[in-house]
Amino acid sequence: EPEVTQTPSHQVTQMGQEVILRCVPISNHLYFYWYRQILGQKVEFLVSFYNNEISEKSEIFDDQFSVERPDGSNFTLKIRSTKLEDSAMYFCASRDIDIRGMNTEAFFGQGTRLTVV
Amino acid sequence: LAKTTQPISMDSYEGQEVNITCSHNNIATNDYITWYQQFPSQGPRFIIQGYKTKVTNEVASLFIPADRKSSTLSLPRVSLSDTAVYYCLVVLPMAGNMLTFGGGTRLMVKP
Repeated sequence: EPEVTQTPSHQVTQMGQEVILRCVPISNHLYFYWYRQILGQKVEFLVSFYNNEISEKSEIFDDQFSVERPDGSNFTLKIRSTKLEDSAMYFCASRDIDIRGMNTEAFFGQGTRLTVV
Repeated sequence: LAKTTQPISMDSYEGQEVNITCSHNNIATNDYITWYQQFPSQGPRFIIQGYKTKVTNEVASLFIPADRKSSTLSLPRVSLSDTAVYYCLVVLPMAGNMLTFGGGTRLMVKP
């Protein structure tokens, strides 16, 4: 079964450092997403990406964050100048395009646990 | 965005059928109802989606009344491994719209 893969599984970084979280979406999917989940809280939408540009972003996704699809397979989330409150699980997800507009199934990766110290 | 309301937690025992009901009073005409499951330290996983009436797959059934203001996820004969958080979402599926997760229902299956 195809799956979304994320690396690393766990990243520890010092406050103020930059981190890049990496994702390989399912190959024929066209919509890509980043979500985060602070420990014990709900899954929060960060950004969606389609056709090499951001299609939607939440209030959380400020200038500290950026996304990139540097090649045909990877999808990255960069967090500049990390803060303690950025500590969370970060999930990448991808969805297939559905011409009929009926598909709501997104495939999530296993996540990257980011710990800012 | 249609807001969903579901119980914070539920307990069940192995072998029982579990029904989790979700309210979505302001669902729009083109919205679909989708349920996801999340185990600790894992990403959410799609379970089932529906628009109206009943949908069944190998994992669960989804019941949606005619007014679509609520839906019920039914898990037949749960096992310990079904202990997870279950999220009800209302989604406009076209154009890859984002999924908005609420607090979910924490299901605890006991032996």
